[in-house]
Amino acid sequence: GAVVSQHPSWVICKSGTSVKIECRSLDFQATTMFWYRQFPKQSLMLMATSNEGSKATYEQGVEKDKFLINHASLTLSTLTVTSAHPEDSSFYICSASDAYEQYFGPGTRLTVT
Amino acid sequence: DAKTTQPPSMDCAEGRAANLPCNHSTISGNEYVYWYRQIHSQGPQYIIHGLKNNETNEMASLIITEDRKSSTLILPHATLRDTAVYYCIVRVAYGNKLVFGAGTILRVKS
Repeated sequence: GAVVSQHPSWVICKSGTSVKIECRSLDFQATTMFWYRQFPKQSLMLMATSNEGSKATYEQGVEKDKFLINHASLTLSTLTVTSAHPEDSSFYICSASDAYEQYFGPGTRLTVT
Repeated sequence: DAKTTQPPSMDCAEGRAANLPCNHSTISGNEYVYWYRQIHSQGPQYIIHGLKNNETNEMASLIITEDRKSSTLILPHATLRDTAVYYCIVRVAYGNKLVFGAGTILRVKS
């Protein structure tokens, strides 16, 4: 089946710094990629949808200047959390969609100290 | 996309069938029923999807009522590794974003 990877799998950063998370579709070309955030004991919340070569579409309440999404190729999307704060600590999950289905990455655990 | 309602939690004995219900009374004619599960601290895993016919694959069976207002995911022989949060999602097929509800926590017990 289609494989989606995320890097890093976990990261700890200091408050005020920025951190970049990569999402790659390893064996297929993803027309669309999605970014989700999940807080402990809660469900996944969609943050944004990105299509290769165009600007991401953010869900209501998600700050586009804080969560920068770049979808530079059909196999790579990045999420940059800028000026991170402790409340940004969360589990970030991406998914990649081909023409038929969505496939999820393993997630990235971000801890901001 | 139509909203779904699932019980918050269920228990199942190991080796027995796990039947997870989902209500989607406002489903539209072109919307599919998808099931995903999420094992702790992992990304969601696709299980099965269907439109109106019952579906079966190597993981599970999906039973959709004739009026399509509800469905049941069946894990025929649950194992401890099936302990997870199960999400029932309704959406137009292919490419559209998935909106996750609260899901059902399934606990398989020995």
